Amino acid sequence: EDQVTQSPEALRLQEGESSSLNCSYTVSGLRGLFWYRQDPGKGPEFLFTLYSAGEEKEKERLKATLTKKESFLHITAPKPEDSATYLCAVQGNTGFQKLVFGTGTRLLVSP
Amino acid sequence: DAGITQSPRHKVTETGTPVTLRCHQTENHRYMYWYRQDPGHGLRLIHYSYGVKDTDKGEVSDGYSVSRSKTEDFLLTLESATSSQTSVYFCAISGVPPGTYNEQFFGPGTRLTVL
Repeated sequence: EDQVTQSPEALRLQEGESSSLNCSYTVSGLRGLFWYRQDPGKGPEFLFTLYSAGEEKEKERLKATLTKKESFLHITAPKPEDSATYLCAVQGNTGFQKLVFGTGTRLLVSP
Repeated sequence: DAGITQSPRHKVTETGTPVTLRCHQTENHRYMYWYRQDPGHGLRLIHYSYGVKDTDKGEVSDGYSVSRSKTEDFLLTLESATSSQTSVYFCAISGVPPGTYNEQFFGPGTRLTVL
């Protein structure tokens, strides 16, 4: 059974204090790993797709990396507007190939 | 929200009553999904559609039914609402088949409370 575990559950940073969020996964044949951002009361907003180990993608202060067992979302010099819940999901090779989501990391960046 | 609207945005209902949630898209995407989001569980797939009148079950489909009579609309029905169906419901769309890289785009959500 495909599984996604995100850590930490919550993270509090000072503005400018860089850190990383972790997404560990087990999946039968990874077809894609997805990162989303979710603000309170809103739907998830798509950020990145990673397809294979070693791949990296960047968007502003965010950089996502992928290994065979986990993905990291690196946040460089965060700002208060980066505060949100970050969700990780995987798509495997079996069945409908649905997305399996983790429970997310709540990030709070203080000024 | 990628041209996706959901209605209603909030609803309070009583146990045993039928409830229908609507998802409307303007992207002409073929694939549509209904998820529920609960604390400690992450997003879980209820039902999905791969075309007009083509639907199938997800992992938490008991107590829910869906219909899709037009490309742009996907309806989720709770035939007889129960308190365990209190949740936030999200619709998502995808323009590529699930056998490829299934990037999904989400609507704003509907908060449903069943008393």
